[in-house]
Amino acid sequence: KAGVTQTPRYLIKTRGQQVTLSCSPISGHRSVSWYQQTPGQGLQFLFEYFSETQRNKGNFPGRFSGRQFSNSRSEMNVSTLELGDSALYLCASSAEVGLAGAFNEQFFGPGTRLTVL
Amino acid sequence: LAKTTQPISMDSYEGQEVNITCSHNNIATNDYITWYQQFPSQGPRFIIQGYKTKVTNEVASLFIPADRKSSTLSLPRVSLSDTAVYYCLANTDKLIFGTGTRLQVFP
Repeated sequence: KAGVTQTPRYLIKTRGQQVTLSCSPISGHRSVSWYQQTPGQGLQFLFEYFSETQRNKGNFPGRFSGRQFSNSRSEMNVSTLELGDSALYLCASSAEVGLAGAFNEQFFGPGTRLTVL
Repeated sequence: LAKTTQPISMDSYEGQEVNITCSHNNIATNDYITWYQQFPSQGPRFIIQGYKTKVTNEVASLFIPADRKSSTLSLPRVSLSDTAVYYCLANTDKLIFGTGTRLQVFP
């Protein structure tokens, strides 16, 4: 079974631009979560989608948004890029319905490294 | 929200047992504790998950005391390939990862 794929793997943008990152979950997985990873802040939860609905959201500004399609593929968008948005953006998928509580192993993709100049 | 705290780094030698402890306050009654391993330029990889007492799989053990305010990941007989960052995750609805523990294994 293919793993989680993310495209593109690397991206360079300039301040003020916007960017869209894509994530394809493992076949059959309906939950997709996004994380931002930086050396200073570590792994931070952005949001989670299940069946095209955003179920949870982390503490990020409205410039960060996402969506999920009927085939469970997900995209996240960052508008008006800032230098501080430079990070590794990770996507994870899981099969289970709930995030909290029962076993919900997440499978992570390799990430998209975004550099904002 | 549950906050997790881990040591920033640990050193070990090949063949030794390594124990990494994570503190998690305000963890909810039905939340699980999950540990992940991350190598450079890769996404985290699931290691083990537990709710209470002890869980063991082919790569690690997880000890969670009765009060569930901490958990300890135990890696038996580490090798050089276990050099990585280890994250403790409290499965709250915000999916809060710990700060991560950078484990360095020396020959």
